[in-house]
Amino acid sequence: GAGVSQTPSNKVTEKGKYVELRCDPISGHTALYWYRQSLGQGPEFLIYFQGTGAADDSGLPNDRFFAVRPEGSVSTLKIQRTERGDSAVYLCASSTGTTPGELFFGEGSRLTVL
Amino acid sequence: AQSVAQPEDQVNVAEGNPLTVKCTYSVSGNPYLFWYVQYPNRGLQFLLKYITGDNLVKGSYGFEAEFNKSQTSFHLKKPSALVSDSALYFCAVRDSNNAGNMLTFGGGTRLMVKP
Repeated sequence: GAGVSQTPSNKVTEKGKYVELRCDPISGHTALYWYRQSLGQGPEFLIYFQGTGAADDSGLPNDRFFAVRPEGSVSTLKIQRTERGDSAVYLCASSTGTTPGELFFGEGSRLTVL
Repeated sequence: AQSVAQPEDQVNVAEGNPLTVKCTYSVSGNPYLFWYVQYPNRGLQFLLKYITGDNLVKGSYGFEAEFNKSQTSFHLKKPSALVSDSALYFCAVRDSNNAGNMLTFGGGTRLMVKP
């Protein structure tokens, strides 16, 4: 499809396990963003890629969280030693990088840590 | 630093009546302001934005928003609400001093339009 694609749509895991969430942005979009949305709250910025490099990772909560975008397209958000507090919807967005703020969001990956 | 506040958790309005969803912001430079809408089990959808120019901005689905610099507000409005407008609305801001395109979102306001 033409939109931002995120997989899996739902992930249930046990505390302490490792999780990978994938984002496939709109073709040609150079900028890619990860946000986290907890229940009843607005999206919270995690990390921003311009091309292959992380331009700003100031929103990552701790060193258990890591994201890559090796070829400047698909990105993977990796969470080590998951905790119950990591349960949230993880949103990915992409943009051309030239138009301020007009981000195109995927439907999110809902992570539940038991 | 950039921040945004949505003071109302929920707004209730009757179909056909005008609606307003409030948003205030704080930035050190000039604000770029946005409204997004989220329908159940759907991703966030862009509604409208203010970058510069006319303070009244028109967007998708008949929505508009007015930038007020003195009150640091960017309230979302629609002259006549539809039941289908019921959704979660998020205001977002980006400080023009920030090189990246990262948005800071408010906590969201649930709009309920009743027939």
